[in-house]
Amino acid sequence: GAVVSQHPSWVICKSGTSVKIECRSLDFQATTMFWYRQFPKQSLMLMATSNEGSKATYEQGVEKDKFLINHASLTLSTLTVTSAHPEDSSFYICSAPNRGLENNEQFFGPGTRLTVL
Amino acid sequence: AQTVTQSQPEMSVQEAETVTLSCTYDTSENNYYLFWYKQPPSRQMILVIRQEAYKQQNATENRFSVNFQKAAKSFSLKISDSQLGDTAMYFCAFMKQTGANNLFFGTGTRLTVIP
Repeated sequence: GAVVSQHPSWVICKSGTSVKIECRSLDFQATTMFWYRQFPKQSLMLMATSNEGSKATYEQGVEKDKFLINHASLTLSTLTVTSAHPEDSSFYICSAPNRGLENNEQFFGPGTRLTVL
Repeated sequence: AQTVTQSQPEMSVQEAETVTLSCTYDTSENNYYLFWYKQPPSRQMILVIRQEAYKQQNATENRFSVNFQKAAKSFSLKISDSQLGDTAMYFCAFMKQTGANNLFFGTGTRLTVIP
């Protein structure tokens, strides 16, 4: 089946620093990728839609200047948390629909746990 | 806008027994997909079962089956012969068939299978 990887799987950083998270589709091309955030014991909330070759679309309440998204190729999207603060500590998950499948089945990365000290 | 509601924050079931998790949703779309995802402690999202809204027949995957009631906008998951490995968070999710393909998730149900 299709595989989506994320790197790193966990990261600890100091407040004020920036952190980059990578999401890769390993065996299919993804013109679109989705970034979700999951706080402890809560559901997944869509942050933004990453579009290859164009600007990302952000959900209401998500600061585009804080969460920079770049979709540089058909297999890679990156999320950069700029000037991270403790309230940004969360579990970040990406997903990619495989448009080669009839129902655009989505495949999830394993997630990245971000802890900001 | 789409909303997905799971009214059971926690459920438990004895091993080998059957349990049903509830999910309701609201949408003005006519064509869409519904999913149940499992999130074990590893936090990797795992697709359990999928239902196309245009199909009247309820989807079944081994021990997992759904009761899809389109008019009532209800989509419950039945797990038969529960196993210890079924212990996880279960999320009901909605996806439009056309346009944006992001998933809208419910708040989740934490299922514990008791040995």
